[in-house]
Amino acid sequence: SYELTQPLSVSLALGQTARITCGGNSLGSKSVHWYQKKPGQAPVLVIYKNTNRPSEIPERFSGSKSGTAATLTISRVQVGDEADYYCQVWDSDTAGVFGGGTKLTVL
Amino acid sequence: EVQLVQSGAEVKKPGESLKISCSTSGYSFTTYWIGWVRQMPGKGLEWMGVIYPGDSDARYSPSFQGQVIISADKSINTAYLQWTNLKASDTAMYYCSRLMGRNTNDPFDHWGQGTLVTVSS
Repeated sequence: SYELTQPLSVSLALGQTARITCGGNSLGSKSVHWYQKKPGQAPVLVIYKNTNRPSEIPERFSGSKSGTAATLTISRVQVGDEADYYCQVWDSDTAGVFGGGTKLTVL
Repeated sequence: EVQLVQSGAEVKKPGESLKISCSTSGYSFTTYWIGWVRQMPGKGLEWMGVIYPGDSDARYSPSFQGQVIISADKSINTAYLQWTNLKASDTAMYYCSRLMGRNTNDPFDHWGQGTLVTVSS
């Protein structure tokens, strides 16, 4: 079955740039989506189809992809950005797949 | 405005059956995939499956195939997630969500508020 690999955690100081990676085989041929998940709240789509940002998401959030890795970048991180972040793709054999999630901590 | 409103929390015993719902409004129910995502306590998001209400075509993650049933009633714009034999390991928060477009590789763009299912003897 298809798997996506994310770092368990990323910690950085207020105002720095966070980069969260997502790796998987043949990721170059798939559309990668990113979600923000805060405790007690439903997930929120922050990046879709690798690089696209929903209109309600701040420009500080951006996505990129190169080879077998996708990256969610959050510029000038704020305390309100603390959350778990998940990448997700569709695989023809496995259907939808989420990565294991990355906990972002703002120090 | 697109809205997905899920049914309330459930407490069930192992072996019991359950059907939770996701009532939608604000868009054409039959022309977008809608699906379910599980989050077990302290764990990550898990993609369970989706259904296209227009023709009831359903796709399941292998982990959930045969364990749950996803259905939709297009007369009332509502999707369902059903179990016939609950286990304690089914204890989780379940979210319904709509796919952004008409392709299964589209993202989930609108979400319900979640339904907490607790299975305990």
